Amino acid sequence: SQELEQSPQSLIVQEGKNLTINCTSSKTLYGLYWYKQKYGEGLIFLMMLQKGGEEKSHEKITAKLDEKKQQSSLHITASQPSHAGIYLCGADGGNTGNQFYFGTGTSLTVIP
Amino acid sequence: DAGITQSPRYKITETGRQVTLMCHQTWSHSYMFWYRQDLGHGLRLIYYSAAADITDKGEVPDGYVVSRSKTENFPLTLESATRSQTSVYFCASSEGRKQYFGPGTRLTVT
Repeated sequence: SQELEQSPQSLIVQEGKNLTINCTSSKTLYGLYWYKQKYGEGLIFLMMLQKGGEEKSHEKITAKLDEKKQQSSLHITASQPSHAGIYLCGADGGNTGNQFYFGTGTSLTVIP
Repeated sequence: DAGITQSPRYKITETGRQVTLMCHQTWSHSYMFWYRQDLGHGLRLIYYSAAADITDKGEVPDGYVVSRSKTENFPLTLESATRSQTSVYFCASSEGRKQYFGPGTRLTVT
């Protein structure tokens, strides 16, 4: 089975600071997804990466997938309290719509 | 644009009771999934369905039953609830690789 390890498990940063969350896979990733979950709510899709070396940005959040497609990072620039929540990386098992695996999540707190 | 909905949002039940969690999607996505989210374990797949009348086990299927008579609905039943099934349950649907999640159901088994 696919194993996704996220680090750090939790992060507390001052507003305005930059931060990075990592997601490492034991196997080559066919597709890597980043989700954000606000406490007590559902998951919100952020970005999907499929190609080695791919990088995507949305507002102040940038996600990268390494060339070997086994590690992804999520970088937030100039963090804001609205960025607080749990960030989850996920990966599919290689078949469209089939089993999907998640990392254990990173809890982000942004102090105003 | 309703998307994917779950009901109830919160449920408290007693050990041994049968509980059904509902999931409804308006997109006619082929694939639907049930996950449970627990501290220290992240999200784990319980069951998934590739189409109406086609279901398959995920990582943690024991104690759960699913059915999918219609494309838009994917109910999850706990036949005899146990305390270990206290969790937050998420339903998701997908077309292609991107998954869309419902808001979750927080279930407490006392």
